[in-house]
Amino acid sequence: NAGVTQTPKFRVLKTGQSMTLLCAQDMNHEYMYWYRQDPGMGLRLIHYSVGEGTTAKGEVPDGYNVSRLKKQNFLLGLESAAPSQTSVYFCASRSQGSNEKLFFGSGTQLSVL
Amino acid sequence: GNSVTQMEGPVTLSEEAFLTINCTYTATGYPSLFWYVQYPGEGLQLLLKATKADDKGSNKGFEATYRKETTSFHLEKGSVQVSDSAVYFCALLYNQGGKLIFGQGTELSVKP
Repeated sequence: NAGVTQTPKFRVLKTGQSMTLLCAQDMNHEYMYWYRQDPGMGLRLIHYSVGEGTTAKGEVPDGYNVSRLKKQNFLLGLESAAPSQTSVYFCASRSQGSNEKLFFGSGTQLSVL
Repeated sequence: GNSVTQMEGPVTLSEEAFLTINCTYTATGYPSLFWYVQYPGEGLQLLLKATKADDKGSNKGFEATYRKETTSFHLEKGSVQVSDSAVYFCALLYNQGGKLIFGQGTELSVKP
């Protein structure tokens, strides 16, 4: 089934550990996004990409890095996790044109202890 | 800077009441505007959109009009149902550059 797949779905880290979240889409979309969702804060844009090999900073990029080496994959990295990065992370990809639509992954629940 | 601001929730209404959720934005240029809905335990779904000034988006009885003069995109529904209980997000897309940002969300609770 076409869509956006995020892995892992859950993860617990200790402060200072690193990890990478993977987002994969098979819809040939150019635009991909990483958001974090926190209570009362809504969805905040971390980084985004407008095509293979490109990345750009969003509203809250500090402490995160991203890569888009292949069009279908958008990776979000935490080099040294902090408790403030405890959140639910959502990846999204966007189709363009008259039938523009945003497709979300199912989310990753990350806890940093 | 560029931002999206929604009215604070939670909003509690009785069934069949009229709903308004305010959304205002600041942006340069001519962004596209969206409303997304998140039902309990689920991801975000597109509810409606408008791509230029004076456009009206509508879906499932919900409506929103892109008002450039007041930089607003308020969500309305004439008669809410219990099944409309969810969190509603206003969003703005910069058509040049592709940046897509969301408001903080407004929780709606509809009581029978």
